[in-house]
Formats: sequence, C-alpha cells, structure tokens
Amino acid sequence: GAVVSQHPSWVICKSGTSVKIECRSLDFQATTMFWYRQFPKQSLMLMATSNEGSKATYEQGVEKDKFLINHASLTLSTLTVTSAHPEDSSFYICSARKLAVVYEQYFGPGTRLTVT
Amino acid sequence: QQQVKQSPQSLIVQKGGISIINCAYENTAFDYFPWYQQFPGKGPALLIAIRPDVSEKKEGRFTISFNKSAKQFSLHIMDSQPGDSATYFCAATRYGQNFVFGPGTRLSVLP
Repeated sequence: GAVVSQHPSWVICKSGTSVKIECRSLDFQATTMFWYRQFPKQSLMLMATSNEGSKATYEQGVEKDKFLINHASLTLSTLTVTSAHPEDSSFYICSARKLAVVYEQYFGPGTRLTVT
Repeated sequence: QQQVKQSPQSLIVQKGGISIINCAYENTAFDYFPWYQQFPGKGPALLIAIRPDVSEKKEGRFTISFNKSAKQFSLHIMDSQPGDSATYFCAATRYGQNFVFGPGTRLSVLP
C-alpha cells in the first residue's frame, strides 16, 4: 500500500494566526514530499518540494517565509502557514514519493483551511 | 512551455458510454504522463500513466492514447459508470519533478 494522511482535515483560524498542517506517509518511507494548493474548481498548483533533512524548494511566486515547510523524517512533513490571511484560505494537499520510485506520487486527502 | 492544456472543461456522458478527455503539452522533455481522479473534498488518486515511448496503455476500462508527434494524449473511459463521476486531471513531469497539472475535467455520468 501507499497511504498518506493529513492532519487536520479542516481548520478554521483567525487572521494573523499561524496554522500547521501535517503530512504523514503511513506505510512507506518518503524521501520527497510535495505540497500543493488547490482553489475551488481549479487545478493543483505545486507550492514546494521537500526532501528529508534538507531545505524545501519553493516554486516561483510562493513566499517561503509565509509557507514554512519542514521535512524532519522519512514519514513526516509539515506546512506552517504563518500570519494567515483570508486569501490563504484554500485546499492544501500533500503528496509523497516512495524511495526509488521516482515517478509516482501518492496524495493525502487534503486539508481545508479557512481564515476568517 | 510548462503548461498542460486539457479539454473539455466539463463532460456529461450517459451510463455505458465512452468518456474522452484530451490533453496537450509543449515541453518535449516531459517523460511521464499520469492521469489522476479526484472526488470532491478528497486528494487526487493515480488512475493510469504512460511514458512517451508507448502509444497506448490499457488498464481495465481506462485507456491512455499517446501521440508523441502531436504532443497530445487522451484518456478514454469505456462503459462509463455513475461512480466515475469526478474531476480528472492530466499531468506531466520530467524525472518525477515539478509535476504540471492540466486544469481538470469535471465528468458527470448520468444513470
């Protein structure tokens, strides 16, 4: 199997606060995890790629100081949205890649973030 | 050059019919083309994928047709079922990095 979980599945926070989203590979080790953002009825936009033990690589236009990514172990990556604003409200999805299986990524169920 | 175009935006098919979704790309360096299925409020799931050295791949009711010279590929869903109603995304990648997704196709299969 290749199961990826995310926690929380949904979160509501007030503007100006920070929110942490966890992404876990439950039954495999993931050297690489990806973080995506998806607006309603739109496609997935890659935000960043994180490799275990190293700094994340952010896509152009993504503020790395606002979206902090940590990939501290082979089964856990976290995304922290700092000083969240209403425009950060979105569906955040992570995916993980197995060791030595370069082309396939397994997606988590997503986290719905609403900033009020 | 990194863009992947996808059509149609939405598709309505009768149960038992064939659903066809088309994608086109520009970057000839892409070497892997997956299709993902996403249900509302859920993460995408890999449906089927193809490499550019193969013209067709079939898995059950799902078939990818790949035209390397035209830089196009398509997903065919045979005997479409109401349970297939979902959003479908084509994607492309080089070496498994920087996956680029198409805008998605909302498929509705009528009972």
